[in-house]
Amino acid sequence: EDQVTQSPEALRLQEGESSSLNCSYTVSGLRGLFWYRQDPGKGPEFLFTLYSAGEEKEKERLKATLTKKESFLHITAPKPEDSATYLCAVQADTGRRALTFGSGTRLQVQP
Amino acid sequence: DAGVIQSPRHEVTEMGQEVTLRCKPISGHNSLFWYRQTMMRGLELLIYFNNNVPIDDSGMPEDRFSAKMPNASFSTLKIQPSEPRDSAVYFCASSRARPGDTQYFGPGTRLTVL
Repeated sequence: EDQVTQSPEALRLQEGESSSLNCSYTVSGLRGLFWYRQDPGKGPEFLFTLYSAGEEKEKERLKATLTKKESFLHITAPKPEDSATYLCAVQADTGRRALTFGSGTRLQVQP
Repeated sequence: DAGVIQSPRHEVTEMGQEVTLRCKPISGHNSLFWYRQTMMRGLELLIYFNNNVPIDDSGMPEDRFSAKMPNASFSTLKIQPSEPRDSAVYFCASSRARPGDTQYFGPGTRLTVL
């Protein structure tokens, strides 16, 4: 059974204080690992897809990396508008298209 | 381009009533997914369609839940009869048909069953 564990559950940062969110996964074969951002009362908003170990992607203050067992979402010099829940999900290469989601990391960036 | 559209955004109903949630996927996307989000279980897939055909409904909790996709631009998720434990946020997502393609989510329908 595919499993995704995210840590920490919650993180409070000061504006400008860089940090990393962790996503550990167990999957029979990885088709893709997805990062989403979710604001309260809204649907998950796509951030990145990573397909193979060693791959990295960046967008503004966010950088996602992937190894064979985990992914990190690095947040550099965060701003209050980066406050949200960040969700990690995996899709197995079994042909089943379902995403298995972690429980998320609630990030709060204080000014 | 318009994203995934869901309606209603909020639904409050009484136990035993029928509830119908609606979704319009992104134009050109061949796959449509229904997920449910709760505090206890997080986001879980209920069912997905490929080219309007249900492919995997293993996440549908029980026979009270049914989903249809009569054409490429419309899908419904129906709960009959509804129960308080069905209270959750229901999301629709769509993607192109290839495995690994990104799934784009709608704004969700918050369902409360009293």
